[in-house]
Amino acid sequence: KAGVTQTPRYLIKTRGQQVTLSCSPISGHRSVSWYQQTPGQGLQFLFEYFSETQRNKGNFPGRFSGRQFSNSRSEMNVSTLELGDSALYLCASSLVSGGLAASYEQYFGPGTRLTVT
Amino acid sequence: GQQVMQIPQYQHVQEGEDFTTYCNSSTTLSNIQWYKQRPGGHPVFLIQLVKSGEVKKQKRLTFQFGEAKKNSSLHITATQTTDVGTYFCAGPGSASDMRFGAGTRLTVKP
Repeated sequence: KAGVTQTPRYLIKTRGQQVTLSCSPISGHRSVSWYQQTPGQGLQFLFEYFSETQRNKGNFPGRFSGRQFSNSRSEMNVSTLELGDSALYLCASSLVSGGLAASYEQYFGPGTRLTVT
Repeated sequence: GQQVMQIPQYQHVQEGEDFTTYCNSSTTLSNIQWYKQRPGGHPVFLIQLVKSGEVKKQKRLTFQFGEAKKNSSLHITATQTTDVGTYFCAGPGSASDMRFGAGTRLTVKP
């Protein structure tokens, strides 16, 4: 079974621009979570989607948004990029059958390395 | 809000020595998960603990969940160079999100 895929793998943007990252979960996984990983803050939860609905959102500004499609693929968007948004953005899928994603093992993708200059 | 604290932040050992990382939560956890992230890689699920006092072993790795379900530990016996990486614990947050500890970065000198 193919793993979680994320595109693009690397991205360089300038301040003020916006960016869209894509995540394809493992086949059959309906829950997709997004995380931001930085050396200073570690792994920070952004949001979780299940069956096209955002169920949870972390403590990030409204510039960070996401969505999930009917095939469970997910995208996250960051508008008006700031230097501090430079990070590794990780997507994780889990085989949630309606319960809480945090109670199921998460399968992470390779991440998208975003650099904002 | 609920926090997951992990210590130590770094651990450097000689190959063959043991290694332990500790995780503490400010609130009771329904479960705790452990992940390993190799340098340049992404977190990979190792194990989930659910029961109070639970102990699970995976070859040289031993995982424990405290009786109060507020702390956990990962112990590696006789480390090898393949154990290098950052080990994270994670538990459900108050909003059902996943809260990760800051991680313990393990380096192993051959």
